[in-house]
Amino acid sequence: KNEVEQSPQNLTAQEGEFITINCSYSVGISALHWLQQHPGGGIVSLFMLSSGKKKHGRLIATINIQEKHSSLHITASHPRDSAVYICAVSLPGNQFYFGTGTSLTVIP
Amino acid sequence: DAGVIQSPRHEVTEMGQEVTLRCKPISGHDYLFWYRQTMMRGLELLIYFNNNVPIDDSGMPEDRFSAKMPNASFSTLKIQPSEPRDSAVYFCASSRWIGGSDTQYFGPGTRLTVL
Repeated sequence: KNEVEQSPQNLTAQEGEFITINCSYSVGISALHWLQQHPGGGIVSLFMLSSGKKKHGRLIATINIQEKHSSLHITASHPRDSAVYICAVSLPGNQFYFGTGTSLTVIP
Repeated sequence: DAGVIQSPRHEVTEMGQEVTLRCKPISGHDYLFWYRQTMMRGLELLIYFNNNVPIDDSGMPEDRFSAKMPNASFSTLKIQPSEPRDSAVYFCASSRWIGGSDTQYFGPGTRLTVL
């Protein structure tokens, strides 16, 4: 059983579409992280959140602690958003669990 | 700041050889993390350090793996002897505080191929 589940695994969208990636977890966490990994392999931390909502440019991340669920939204998607998006949770005991990632392709 | 620096970027070696991966964290960051990424298992935390001291190495797969942090600006991950199943991308990351409380900054990774 995976402590972190992401959906969908793969997602193809047309440029301009609104995109949602979901993450569910089964453990008590201290924080949830959204990471972005581009085709070149580099990993960038997009958000770290423990409650509510955060916004950065066209990216919005929300978390519902009671439901153990988080979503990453991309508004007005662009081909440069094509990447793998990884959800990760950190636990109070400092363990980390990672989702398997959502591969997003945005077509011009 | 130059960000987290890893070397080498690519390493190809033969089974049985010793492999050493290197990492320089961002100056002022007290936490350093080593991760491994494979297609089958995704990202896995191997070990992390706080102020140069290993805190949790429960993710280290076997005794063939060892990690050290002799000072605040340098860490190594060593595999001896290497095996084909060790082929993966190894990432180093650093943060000011423990990852649950602060953003982690990732290095570019070292792609290891063991033949």
